[in-house]
Parts: sequence; C-alpha cells; structure tokens
Amino acid sequence: KAGVTQTPRYLIKTRGQQVTLSCSPISGHRSVSWYQQTPGQGLQFLFEYFSETQRNKGNFPGRFSGRQFSNSRSEMNVSTLELGDSALYLCASSPGGGSPQYFGPGTRLLVL
Amino acid sequence: AQSVTQLGSHVSVSEGALVLLRCNYSSSVPPYLFWYVQYPNQGLQLLLKYTTGATLVKGINGFEAEFKKSETSFHLTKPSAHMSDAAEYFCAVTLSNTGNQFYFGTGTSLTVIP
Repeated sequence: KAGVTQTPRYLIKTRGQQVTLSCSPISGHRSVSWYQQTPGQGLQFLFEYFSETQRNKGNFPGRFSGRQFSNSRSEMNVSTLELGDSALYLCASSPGGGSPQYFGPGTRLLVL
Repeated sequence: AQSVTQLGSHVSVSEGALVLLRCNYSSSVPPYLFWYVQYPNQGLQLLLKYTTGATLVKGINGFEAEFKKSETSFHLTKPSAHMSDAAEYFCAVTLSNTGNQFYFGTGTSLTVIP
C-alpha cells in the first residue's frame, strides 16, 4: 500500500496569511491525526479526525482548524499566520483501535 | 491523565555499544505502546509496538523493547549501536478508551560516536 502523503512538502508564507495543508492517508485508514513539531516545543498534537468527525483536539488556538472528507483525506488550515507557526506539520493515519499511527513526511512551513 | 516520560533528551553511545533509551508511562488502563524513529527532515517511522501478548517486542533494525507493567516502563534497547542509528527516538502510548489519540514523549536524540 502507498504510504501517507502530504502536500505541499515546503511552504513559505508571510504573517497574516492563511495556509491549507493536505494529507492523504493509507488506504483503508479512517483516523487521521495532525501534529506540529518545533525544536522548542517538540511534537504537539493538534487534532484527530475519524470518519469526518473531529474526535480529539489538542490545545491550540482556533486559528488552527481541520476537516476530513468522505474518502478520509484530511486538510488542516491555519489562518492569520504568526511567526511562531513556523514548524514541521506532520500527518499520521491509523486504522484505529490501538493500531500504530503511520506518518507522512511532513510539510515544512516557514512564516516570514 | 496519560503521559509519557523519556529520561534523557540526549544520549551518546560509542559505535558497537549497547543502546538504552528509557520510557515510562502513566495510564489507568492497559496501554498500547510504541517506539518511533525520526531522521532529519523526515516523518516518524514505526520501530516497534506492544499491544498484547509477549512483553518482549522485537522491531526493525535490531531494536527491541520490553513492557514492564510493574515498572510502567517500555525501554528501547539495541545490543550494538551502528552509526546509522543516530536519530531522534520517540516513545508513544495510546489507550483503548481515548479514540485514537496518541501521547508522545519529548524525544531522545541518539548520537553514535565512531
């Protein structure tokens, strides 16, 4: 099976803009999770979607949002970008039920 | 609340020496435990997993981990370090009653000295 894919791989934005990142999970996986990774804060959980419903949410401001489509593909959106949003954004998919999460290569976002 | 603690944010070993990366968890229900490895500018790659059954789990690249319920630990070991093992390692836990939310440790950066 093909792995988790994320697009784009690299992105440069300026403060105040918004950005949309995309994630295609492994075929058959209904759970998709998003993480933000920075050198200072490590790996931080953003949210998890399962069958188009947000099931879990981390402690991030409302500027961070996401959604999942009927084919399990997911997008996350960050509005009004701040310099501190510069990070590697990772998507992971899983069948659920205690199975591992499988990660994509990430999208590296730089906010100038 | 569930949590994962990785002791030692940086670990250095000589090539050929034993690798020991420590992970402790807190959980009120039986956990599912995982170790992941991350190489620079890449996503996380699953090394091994413990769900049920045998407490000694073997993974890829010669790594293994032992689930010790009494110590709430899931330490990662490899008998002989190789230069290619230099990477960031993450311990993670998920529970049967939290949907599919994973809790990750803060990571341990492994340096292998030639």
